[in-house]
Amino acid sequence: GAGVSQSPSNKVTEKGKDVELRCDPISGHTALYWYRQRLGQGLEFLIYFQGNSAPDKSGLPSDRFSAERTGESVSTLTIQRTQQEDSAVYLCASSVQGARWTEAFFGQGTRLTVV
Amino acid sequence: DQQVKQNSPSLSVQEGRISILNCDYTNSMFDYFLWYKKYPAEGPTFLISISSIKDKNEDGRFTVFLNKSAKHLSLHIVPSQPGDSAVYFCAASAQDDKIIFGKGTRLHILP
Repeated sequence: GAGVSQSPSNKVTEKGKDVELRCDPISGHTALYWYRQRLGQGLEFLIYFQGNSAPDKSGLPSDRFSAERTGESVSTLTIQRTQQEDSAVYLCASSVQGARWTEAFFGQGTRLTVV
Repeated sequence: DQQVKQNSPSLSVQEGRISILNCDYTNSMFDYFLWYKKYPAEGPTFLISISSIKDKNEDGRFTVFLNKSAKHLSLHIVPSQPGDSAVYFCAASAQDDKIIFGKGTRLHILP
C-alpha cells in the first residue's frame, strides 16, 4: 500500500491477555516509531527503530511491552498481561531516515481497549 | 516531566482571522521542531518544521516562529479556514532522533 498500515484497527481484550499490534511501514522507510495516545493526552513516545535495531527503548512503559522489527519492514508491538491503563490508541509512523529531518507518515492507529 | 507543553487545550478562531497556537519546551538540547495536524480517526500529518538555526519558517498560510531564548514556538495560520479545524501537535527532537510531542491544541474555526 501507499501509506503506513496498522492492524487491527480496533482490539478489545480482557485484562491479563497478551496482544500483538502490527505496523507495515511505507516501503523503503528505514525509521519506524511507535507512539501511544491515551484519552485526553498527547502522543507518548514508546520506541524508535532505525532499520531493525532500536536505539531508544526508553519510552516503553514497563517490561510488559516489547517491540521488534524484521526485514527493515514490519514491526510488531506486543503487550503482555494487559492492564486497563494500557487502553489507548497505538500509532505507528515511518520516515525515510529519521522523522527529525524528513516527514514522518503516521498510520491510522490501533485502538486498544482492555476490559 | 513534560518536555513539550501546549498549555491551551482548545482555541476558537473566526474564519478569515489569524490562528496562533503556542508551544513551550524545556529541553535545551532540542534543535528541531515540528507541527503535526490531526483529524479525528486519522493519524497525524506533518505540517511544517523549523530548525533551531532559524527563527521563522513559512509555507503558504502557515508560519512557525521560534524564540530560542524563551524556549517558545508558535504556529500562525492566516487566514484561518474551516478545514483547519483539527488538533495541532507541537513536537521537538534532539540529536537522538526521538520526537517528543505535546498534548495538542484543538482548533475550532468558527463560520
